[in-house]
Amino acid sequence: GQQLNQSPQSMFIQEGEDVSMNCTSSSIFNTWLWYKQDPGEGPVLLIALYKAGELTSNGRLTAQFGITRKDSFLNISASIPSDVGIYFCAGRGSNSGYALNFGKGTSLLVTP
Amino acid sequence: SQTIHQWPATLVQPVGSPLSLECTVEGTSNPNLYWYRQAAGRGLQLLFYSVGIGQISSEVPQNLSASRPQDRQFILSSKKLLLSDSGFYLCAWSRGGGSYEQYFGPGTRLTVT
Repeated sequence: GQQLNQSPQSMFIQEGEDVSMNCTSSSIFNTWLWYKQDPGEGPVLLIALYKAGELTSNGRLTAQFGITRKDSFLNISASIPSDVGIYFCAGRGSNSGYALNFGKGTSLLVTP
Repeated sequence: SQTIHQWPATLVQPVGSPLSLECTVEGTSNPNLYWYRQAAGRGLQLLFYSVGIGQISSEVPQNLSASRPQDRQFILSSKKLLLSDSGFYLCAWSRGGGSYEQYFGPGTRLTVT
């Protein structure tokens, strides 16, 4: 499948700080999804994006579908300790069928 | 509401032994089903997906196989495990008919010794 470049690979921040991470693709995607995975558990869907330029929020989380359709961004405002985990982006191109391409994840650590 | 179950939660198997992991979904009909493997806590690799009973698409040549004997049941199997089969196996489902949002199960941690 198509490789997604997700950055940063890891982040170590203090509670209360805002967080930004992004995902880029070499090809156009029609769907962007963001997941969070806690240790030893399955990923949980946070936000789904279907239109270029779309900006969607879920509590303190906000994600955007890039205008070029080749990138997406996730922001977390006022981080708290339970935000700790690995965040994955996933995208789907027009010829991908039902398969999603996943980024390698951003590991987020939050200190109190 | 929909729920997805996987079992067992953890498994330790010797090299050369067979494998059977099961995934079931409740609360929906005709789901698309997926098997992923995750190594070292990062990077999900799609192994198989299914859009209906008996319909299996393989994404990567593997020592593994998948079957879908019932609408909401997806099974991952191997006849002879390799050390490299160790990992975290995740099952996921999505609504059929054009929905791409996938929802994951709790996973099975497989260690091949």
